Order: sequence, then structure tokens, then C-alpha cells
Amino acid sequence: KNQVEQSPQSLIILEGKNCTLQRNYTVSPFSNLRWYKQDTGRGPVSLTIMTFSENTKSNGRYTATLDADTKQSSLHITASQLSDSASYICVVTVNSGGYQKVTFGTGTKLQVIP
Amino acid sequence: GAGVSQSPSNKVTEKGKDVELRCDPISGHTALYWYRQRLGQGLEFLIYFQGNSAPDKSGLPSDRFSAERTGESVSTLTIQRTQQEDSAVYLCASSLAVWGGLRNRTDTQYFGPGTRLTVL
Repeated sequence: KNQVEQSPQSLIILEGKNCTLQRNYTVSPFSNLRWYKQDTGRGPVSLTIMTFSENTKSNGRYTATLDADTKQSSLHITASQLSDSASYICVVTVNSGGYQKVTFGTGTKLQVIP
Repeated sequence: GAGVSQSPSNKVTEKGKDVELRCDPISGHTALYWYRQRLGQGLEFLIYFQGNSAPDKSGLPSDRFSAERTGESVSTLTIQRTQQEDSAVYLCASSLAVWGGLRNRTDTQYFGPGTRLTVL
């Protein structure tokens, strides 16, 4: 069964600090891997998208990395801000027979405190 | 331009009733997804429409759930004989998924605001 496990489940950091969220996945190869940010009560917003052959992708203060050998991806947040408080979800998509099968991670709830 | 819209934004219903949720995707987006998110849990994939192809229904939790989409326009998600465990936020997303020969373009999903369903 395809799985995407994220760690930690929750994280509290001080404003201005860096943090790294990680996830392990079993599905391989995949079409793309995405990190989403979801504010409470809002829909998820895509942060980064990587194909199976990419190693890193940046979007402002967010940098996602991918290690296909260890089947791990990380989302690094630089100089965290209070507005970074949200849930971060990793999603792996596999193209199969013309359809997309989407596997969601369990999510990490990040809280940035002053 | 206009994003993905969903209606209603909130729906409260009694156990056993049927409900219908609506999603208006971004114009021109061929792919449409339905997700469910229970309180405190991650996103759960329900169903995926790609153009006029048969939908991927592998995520639907039971035969009480069904979804329809006409062409590349509006989609409706119907839940029959609702149960309390159906209470969740139902999210719709659309994307410009394009299948180009041997290579598939990566796509970005644009999410709607969701419909909060409460089954009493």
C-alpha cells in the first residue's frame, strides 16, 4: 500500500528560526511530489512541485528537497514568520493508466511563536 | 481571474438525508478533484475527473458517495443517506492536467474554499 509518513506530527518554533519537515514515502517512482500549506479553515495552497528526477525546488523561504535513494523529502522553512503557522502536507501523485492516484501525507502542524 | 468556487459553504443536515455539493472549476481546467478532510485529519482523496475519460473513483469511501461532471464544467458530489461520520470539509480542486504523449506535465491543483458538512 502506498504510504506517505510525515514527521514530526506537530512542531513549535520561535519566530525567525529555521525548521525542517520530513516525510518518507513508499510509492516509487511517482509523477510528482508536492508540499502544500493549509491555514486553518482554508483550502491547501501548493508551495512546491517536484518531479521524480528533481532534487530541490525553492519558493521564497520554502525549499523542498528529494532523495530518491532514501525515499525521503524535506521542506525547509527559512526565517520563520508567525504567518507560517499552518499544517504542511506532502502529496505524492502517481500516473497510472491515464489517471492520477494521489497519496497524502499525514501532515505536520507547525506553530510559530513570537 | 475567478478561482474554484464551491457551494454551499456550509451545510447542516440530519442523519439519513441526501446532500449535494457543487464545484465550479477554473475555466479551461480539464482535471477536477474532490477531497474530504475530517476535523484534525489530513486530506483524503475521493474522486478524480480528467476530461471525458472515466473518472477515478478509487477514493470514494462507500456506495453512498457519487460524483458527476459534465464535460469540463461543474461537478456535483452527492452523499446519500448521510451519516455522522460524513461530517467533514469537502474540498474541490481543478488543474490544467495535460497528457502529452510519453511525458505528462506536472500540474498545480487550485483548491476551492470547501463545503463544511455537518451531519446531526
